[in-house]
Amino acid sequence: AQKVTQAQTEISVVEKEDVTLDCVYETRDTTYYLFWYKQPPSGELVFLIRRNSFDEQNEISGRYSWNFQKSTSSFNFTITASQVVDSAVYFCALIRMDSNYQLIWGAGTKLIIKP
Amino acid sequence: DGGITQSPKYLFRKEGQNVTLSCEQNLNHDAMYWYRQDPGQGLRLIYYSQIVNDFQKGDIAEGYSVSREKKESFPLTVTSAQKNPTAFYLCASSIEGLFLNEQFFGPGTRLTVL
Repeated sequence: AQKVTQAQTEISVVEKEDVTLDCVYETRDTTYYLFWYKQPPSGELVFLIRRNSFDEQNEISGRYSWNFQKSTSSFNFTITASQVVDSAVYFCALIRMDSNYQLIWGAGTKLIIKP
Repeated sequence: DGGITQSPKYLFRKEGQNVTLSCEQNLNHDAMYWYRQDPGQGLRLIYYSQIVNDFQKGDIAEGYSVSREKKESFPLTVTSAQKNPTAFYLCASSIEGLFLNEQFFGPGTRLTVL
C-alpha cells in the first residue's frame, strides 16, 4: 500500500525559531516522486518542491530546505528563522505510479508562527 | 493576472439539491482537477481532465459530475447522491495531464449543506 504520514498535526513556534515538518512515506515503487505544498489561510495551495526518488541530494531554497532520506522513507521540510508569513498548513504528497500518477496526500501539518 | 478562479467562495444549499461549483483558468493549461478537503485530512481527488471533452474519475467520484467543454472551464456538480457534501472544494490545473507537474490551485469553495 502507498501512504503518506505527517504525524505532526500542529506545530507552534516563536518567530525566528527553526522548525522541521516530518513526512514519512510508504511505497513499493522504485521510481516515485514526492511533493510539498503550502496552504496559507487564503486557501489556495502553493507548490514548494518536487523530488524524484533518484535524487537524494538535499535541496535548499532560501530559508527552506528539504532532507530526503530513502533509508528511512522520509522527506522532511525545515524552515530556518521562521517568520509569521510561514504560518500555513503544509502538505506532503507522493505520486501513485500505478494509478495514472495520481497524488497521495498526507493529512497536513498546521504550522503556527507566533510573533 | 493569470490564475484560477473559483466561485462562489462560500455556498449554502439545502439537502437534496444539486449545486454546481465553478472553476475557470486563464493559464492555458491542458489539465484540470477537482479535490475535496475535509478537516484533518489530505486532499482527495474527485475528477480530473487531461484534455477538453475528456475526464476521469478520481478516488471519490460517486455523487459528483463534471464537464470539460472548454479548455478554460471545469465545473463540478455536487448531486443529491453525494452522502456528505459539506466540505472545502479545490480546483487545480497543470500544464499537462500528468500529476508529475506542478499544480496551480484556486482559492477554493466552501460548501455547506443544511
